[in-house]
Amino acid sequence: IAGITQAPTSQILAAGRRMTLRCTQDMRHNAMYWYRQDLGLGLRLIHYSNTAGTTGKGEVPDGYSVSRANTDDFPLTLASAVPSQTSVYFCASSDAGGGSINEQFFGPGTRLTVL
Amino acid sequence: TQLLEQSPQFLSIQEGENLTVYCNSSSVFSSLQWYRQEPGEGPVLLVTVVTGGEVKKLKRLTFQFGDARKDSSLHITAAQPGDTGLYLCAGVGLNRKLIWGLGTSLAVNP
Repeated sequence: IAGITQAPTSQILAAGRRMTLRCTQDMRHNAMYWYRQDLGLGLRLIHYSNTAGTTGKGEVPDGYSVSRANTDDFPLTLASAVPSQTSVYFCASSDAGGGSINEQFFGPGTRLTVL
Repeated sequence: TQLLEQSPQFLSIQEGENLTVYCNSSSVFSSLQWYRQEPGEGPVLLVTVVTGGEVKKLKRLTFQFGDARKDSSLHITAAQPGDTGLYLCAGVGLNRKLIWGLGTSLAVNP
């Protein structure tokens, strides 16, 4: 069982280019999340999806878009990358049922540098 | 706005020492989670505490949830180099989204 996979592992991107970060989970979790992690700012939620076919905005959604066509995949797209989007990006999933606990499982991350 | 503050921000100790890290808020959380993140990897869930006053043990790690469910602590006994990493707390907020602390970076020196 792989859990959550992310691709690419790392990427250097020219400003203005379009980029899609891929995320796939095999745990059949209904909820998925995209975070960015920056030194001194911690983990910040970009977008989330509570179930296939729905998405929502997190704390820092500007410049990013997501889609959730099925349960397993949750790609994150940067339409026109800017240097401030240089970060480490983590995808996570959870079996967010009716209870209050929202335990999340994380992928290994994508290290993105925008020049 | 719900916030979680972690302290200390950085901690460097020798193998065999004990340590405690704290996670504090002025808000009440329905539950609180602790994660450990090693360099180059994603956070990994260690434990979830749900009931005020709850204590959970994971080998040499002891987690406590405050009686009022506003704070939590992580105590490590006889730290080992393998405990090195970033320790993150996260509270389940009003909309069931996780509120993350900034983390405590722990280095255990042999």
